[in-house]
Amino acid sequence: EVQLVESGGGLVQPGGSLRLSCAASGFTFSSYWMSWVRQAPGKGLEWVANMKEDGSEKNYVDSVKGRFTISRDNAKNSLYLQMNSLRAEDTAVYYCAREDSLSENWGADYWGQGTLVTVSS
Amino acid sequence: DIQMTQSPSTLSASVGDRVTITCRASQNINSWLAWFQQKPGKAPKLLIYKASNLKSGVPSRFSGSGSGTEFTLTISSLQPDDFATYYCQQHNTYFFTFGPGTKVDVK
Repeated sequence: EVQLVESGGGLVQPGGSLRLSCAASGFTFSSYWMSWVRQAPGKGLEWVANMKEDGSEKNYVDSVKGRFTISRDNAKNSLYLQMNSLRAEDTAVYYCAREDSLSENWGADYWGQGTLVTVSS
Repeated sequence: DIQMTQSPSTLSASVGDRVTITCRASQNINSWLAWFQQKPGKAPKLLIYKASNLKSGVPSRFSGSGSGTEFTLTISSLQPDDFATYYCQQHNTYFFTFGPGTKVDVK
């Protein structure tokens, strides 16, 4: 059974940092692109970042470029999101998602339960 | 960057209704479009990939069509479980933009 479990969310002050983790199981993690998607309270989905299977390509939404870093450890079946210089507008539930890249169909076919990040003083 | 729009933003419907949601891309995305359903407090669920392909396990009342810049998601006969918010997402580039969402609520 495919499982994605996020952790690391919490309350952080503006300007602070947080590192999110996503533990993957039930599939060959190293064979898939992975994404982070966020959802601010009462708002829509926003794609944040993604990373190629081997980590050789990373992409970010403009609003987080230079502040967030996506990474992965294929030996540990884990995806990460290092978030620095956090702002109030980064407050959201952050989801880890597997992209259906292996079949080249794309679309995030598995999602974690999400972890809440609150940026507030 | 590719921008995605959806219409309507809210749709009020009754069980049994045929429902159509439109998604438009700011430039040609070929068929690289997915549709998701999301219920409150839950993670999104993939319904359709590559514009018209039904994800395994998704009821056949859901269908997708379109290519280029205009796409539609159709629910042929709305069921009680279908009241939710629906999002489109493009995969033509690796910057996977979502549409703003369409909420389907009870009329």
